[in-house]
Amino acid sequence: QKEVEQNSGPLSVPEGAIASLNCTYSDRVSQSFFWYRQYSGKSPELIMSIYSNGDKEDGRFTAQLNKASQYVSLLIRDSQPSDSATYLCAVNLEGGNKLTFGTGTQLKVEL
Amino acid sequence: SAVISQKPSRDICQRGTSLTIQCQVDSQVTMMFWYRQQPGQSLTLIATANQGSEATYESGFVIDKFPISRPNLTFSTLTVSNMSPEDSSIYLCSVETGLAGADTQYFGPGTRLTVL
Repeated sequence: QKEVEQNSGPLSVPEGAIASLNCTYSDRVSQSFFWYRQYSGKSPELIMSIYSNGDKEDGRFTAQLNKASQYVSLLIRDSQPSDSATYLCAVNLEGGNKLTFGTGTQLKVEL
Repeated sequence: SAVISQKPSRDICQRGTSLTIQCQVDSQVTMMFWYRQQPGQSLTLIATANQGSEATYESGFVIDKFPISRPNLTFSTLTVSNMSPEDSSIYLCSVETGLAGADTQYFGPGTRLTVL
């Protein structure tokens, strides 16, 4: 069964800490991986894309991909209260052009 | 990224009626998609809107319930037909511009539908 799995949370971190969000997926041929941020009542906003094994950094965000382990993660450094949102992992399972979304992880950054 | 608008932003409808949602993009895009996000849930793909041909529907979604049009490369509509309270959701269109990385999708602001 095609799946993208995330821990629903909530994940609570103190302001200034590193938040680590994880995602696993079900097949070995997926090529494209995305992290979206969704504030309550808003539509998903693209944060990061990653296509190759290893790390990709963009500002405070780092995406990490390990295709052998079928695992993708998002690190948020120096977490801010404005980072409090639901983070959705999306994968093009089976290498197609359609994205399958995980259920999302709710992140709460506390003062 | 493309600028995407949706109309209406929200609506409250009666059971048994139909609602057409519009999605407009400010540039020509290769792929357009329609998603549903039920309360407290993640996104579920309804269909891929194909320009000049019938939409491609995902398992569990049918054309009679969710007819889709895509008359050109900047516009698409999704109709939710014969609505029931179970259709209360946020409906989102997304586009793949082909300019960013492969398969990168950007979302419109969504249409919040409540069916009474």
